[in-house]
Amino acid sequence: EILMTQSPATLSVSPGERAALSCRASQTVGSKLAWFQQKPGQAPRLLIYEASTRATAIPVRFSGSGSGTEFTLTISNLQSEDFAVYYCQQYDGWPPYTFGQGTKLEIK
Amino acid sequence: QVQLVESGGGVVQSGRSLRLSCAASGFTFSQYGMHWVRQAPGRGLEWLSVMSYDGDNEFYADSVKGRFTIFRDNSKNTLYLQMNSLRGEDTAVYYCAKDADNSGLYYLDYWGQGTLVTVSS
Repeated sequence: EILMTQSPATLSVSPGERAALSCRASQTVGSKLAWFQQKPGQAPRLLIYEASTRATAIPVRFSGSGSGTEFTLTISNLQSEDFAVYYCQQYDGWPPYTFGQGTKLEIK
Repeated sequence: QVQLVESGGGVVQSGRSLRLSCAASGFTFSQYGMHWVRQAPGRGLEWLSVMSYDGDNEFYADSVKGRFTIFRDNSKNTLYLQMNSLRGEDTAVYYCAKDADNSGLYYLDYWGQGTLVTVSS
């Protein structure tokens, strides 16, 4: 089973600034990496797939990068609605398709 | 638009069984793989299971293998999760999610709102 590790656990950033969230895989997953956003009481929402492709209707301030074992979700010009918990998930090869433990993005 | 509505959650005693349903609409259900994911209170997301579009392939997380069974009825546009021998650690919100591909081996592009399962001792 591939272990996904996200860092930091909590990130404090001011509105208008940029946030960089990290996700590391215990073995290579190529570009088979997705990012999700979850707000309190809501279901997760797909932001990024294939490591760097924005999902439908996702603002351009969200960008994904990386391949292999190291990935980054960057959110530029943070808006109030961006403060949430973010999860990465790998879907390389056969299941299980493991999630990271999440990064909480909070207002500084 | 894609809509996934889970049902069947509730309070159940440890050791008993429960069946969850996920009613799908807004897309051709029979052409896509479908997943179950859960989230324990205050915790992160845990992938549980996936079934291919035709029901021929299914996979499970080790934590539920042998206790949970995923299946689907394409004539009813519904995905199911049969949960047996429930334990306290199975207490969670259970989400169904659509795969972007028919195989079920791709990313999850749409999620339902979830149904809460509470296992009591």
